[in-house]
Amino acid sequence: KAGVTQTPRYLIKTRGQQVTLSCSPISGHRSVSWYQQTPGQGLQFLFEYFSETQRNKGNFPGRFSGRQFSNSRSEMNVSTLELGDSALYLCASSLGGQSTAFFGQGTRLTVV
Amino acid sequence: DAKTTQPTSMDCAEGRAANLPCNHSTISGNEYVYWYRQIHSQGPQYIIHGLKNNETNEMASLIITEDRKSSTLILPHATLRDTAVYYCIVRAYSGNTPLVFGKGTRLSVIA
Repeated sequence: KAGVTQTPRYLIKTRGQQVTLSCSPISGHRSVSWYQQTPGQGLQFLFEYFSETQRNKGNFPGRFSGRQFSNSRSEMNVSTLELGDSALYLCASSLGGQSTAFFGQGTRLTVV
Repeated sequence: DAKTTQPTSMDCAEGRAANLPCNHSTISGNEYVYWYRQIHSQGPQYIIHGLKNNETNEMASLIITEDRKSSTLILPHATLRDTAVYYCIVRAYSGNTPLVFGKGTRLSVIA
């Protein structure tokens, strides 16, 4: 059974640009959560989608947004990139509710 | 904020058991204890979780004290590939709450 797939694995963007990251969950999983990991702040929750609806949101500015498609694949978008957005962005999928979450390998975003 | 306290780092000799403690003194009756680990620059890997009984799987054992205020993750025969940051997380078993990660324990397995 394929795991959670995140694309791309690495990305370099310039300040002010926007970026879209993709996450394909484990087959049958309907919940997708996004996390940001930086050396200073650790792993922080961004948002969670279930059946195309955002159910939970962390404390991040509106520049961070996401969506989920009918096949449960999810994208997150960051607009007007700042240097501080450089991070490892992780996606996790689960069946939903409080079921166990499984993580992808992440997308390493570098903003220059 | 994370509801758990873990040592910042630990060392373990290869082949020996690694015992990673976690304090969760404010755990509620409806909260599970989860363990994940993260090998350098990879996504966190699920290890095991439990409510109040001890649990064992192919990766590890989880020992939860009777009062549920602390737990220990045991890797029975640590290898160099077990070097990682280990996160202990408490999470309600109902509702819709995200995983809240603390700083974790950096386990170094030494040859």
